[in-house]
Amino acid sequence: EPEVTQTPSHQVTQMGQEVILRCVPISNHLYFYWYRQILGQKVEFLVSFYNNEISEKSEIFDDQFSVERPDGSNFTLKIRSTKLEDSAMYFCASSESRESYEQYFGPGTRLTVT
Amino acid sequence: DQQVKQNSPSLSVQEGRISILNCDYTNSMFDYFLWYKKYPAEGPTFLISISSIKDKNEDGRFTVFLNKSAKHLSLHIVPSQPGDSAVYFCAASVFLGGKLTFGQGTILTVHP
Repeated sequence: EPEVTQTPSHQVTQMGQEVILRCVPISNHLYFYWYRQILGQKVEFLVSFYNNEISEKSEIFDDQFSVERPDGSNFTLKIRSTKLEDSAMYFCASSESRESYEQYFGPGTRLTVT
Repeated sequence: DQQVKQNSPSLSVQEGRISILNCDYTNSMFDYFLWYKKYPAEGPTFLISISSIKDKNEDGRFTVFLNKSAKHLSLHIVPSQPGDSAVYFCAASVFLGGKLTFGQGTILTVHP
């Protein structure tokens, strides 16, 4: 069964450093998303991406964040200058979207900012 | 953001009995509702969904009920199994391809 994959599974970085989180969505899906879950809190939406551009973003997704689909398979989230409060699980999701609302999530990347 | 709320942080049931997980929402623009299951150190796994034009959707042991007038939905698991023990999230979307808004989650524990 096709699945969303994410790398790395755990990333530790120092405050102020740049990180890139990688995702390979399900191959025939058209919409791509990033969510995050800070420990003990809700899963919250960051950004959605369709047709090579951002279609929606939350207030969390400020200028420190960017997304890219550099080739036909990868979807990346970049945080330019990490802060302590960026420590969270980051989930990538994808959706076929022509006829279904269901989004399929990857296993997540645990980002720890020290 | 309190648009989707799961007021019960945890639920404990005996194997073979029914588990009922509840979810309330405030945004009347939500068009579609989904339930996800999450194990530790894994991403949310899609379980079952329901469109706002329906009031019930069933898939095997899982049934979701939607009461639009009360802005309430529930997930019924019958019979519950120990492998169902996980965190269950309710989520909602306004439009096709749009973001999901999640509830806080309910930890379900099914005892053998």
